[in-house]
Amino acid sequence: DTGVSQDPRHKITKRGQNVTFRCDPISEHNRLYWYRQTLGQGPEFLTYFQNEAQLEKSRLLSDRFSAERPKGSFSTLEIQRTEQGDSAMYLCASSQVKNTEAFFGQGTRLTVV
Amino acid sequence: GQQVMQIPQYQHVQEGEDFTTYCNSSTTLSNIQWYKQRPGGHPVFLIQLVKSGEVKKQKRLTFQFGEAKKNSSLHITATQTTDVGTYFCAGLLRNSGGSNYKLTFGKGTLLTVNP
Repeated sequence: DTGVSQDPRHKITKRGQNVTFRCDPISEHNRLYWYRQTLGQGPEFLTYFQNEAQLEKSRLLSDRFSAERPKGSFSTLEIQRTEQGDSAMYLCASSQVKNTEAFFGQGTRLTVV
Repeated sequence: GQQVMQIPQYQHVQEGEDFTTYCNSSTTLSNIQWYKQRPGGHPVFLIQLVKSGEVKKQKRLTFQFGEAKKNSSLHITATQTTDVGTYFCAGLLRNSGGSNYKLTFGKGTLLTVNP
C-alpha cells in the first residue's frame, strides 16, 4: 500500500489554460475527496465520490471545475479557463465507508500566472 | 451549510507550556476528527471521537468531544518543539438517510513552540 498519490506535485499554468490533476486513492477505499487549501486556511471541501458516484459538489465551486472517478478507482479534477484565484494546493483524500479516517495525498500545488 | 469553527487561529508557546485548541460546529456531528499538518506537509489523521462526552488520550494529547456533539477540544500538555504544526478539527455530518456524509474542516490552529 503506497498511500494516496497525486500527480503532478506542482503545476504552473498561464491564465486561461485548462489543467487536470490526478489522484490515486488507497486501493480498498470507496470514498474519495477533493479539497482546496490556501495559505493559512483549512482544507476547503470541493467534492467527493463514493465509488464512481459523485455525491456532492460544493456550491462554491464554479462550473469551470469538474471531477470524475471512472470505474471508482482513480479520480481527475479539471479546471477550465484557469484564473489567478485558482492558485492553491489541491488535496485528495480517501477513506473507507465505515472507517471514516481520511488519508491525504501530498497535494498538487497550482500556480496560475 | 455546515460550518466548523476553530480558535485560536495562532498560538505561540514556550516549550513546556500547555496548549489548547477549540472546535465548534453549527450542527450536531456524527464524529469529530483531528488532523495535524506540519509546515509544507499534508494533513495527517490523529484521532476520531464518536460518542457524546468522549475523552481520548494519546501520550501528551487529550481530545474531548462535547455532550451535544457540537464541540471538541485538543489539549497538549508540556509542549515540545516536535508539536509544531497546524492542528485541524474536521466534523463528519451524515445526511438524514445516513448513507452520505461529508468531512468539513475547520481553519486550524497554528502552533509554534519556542525552545
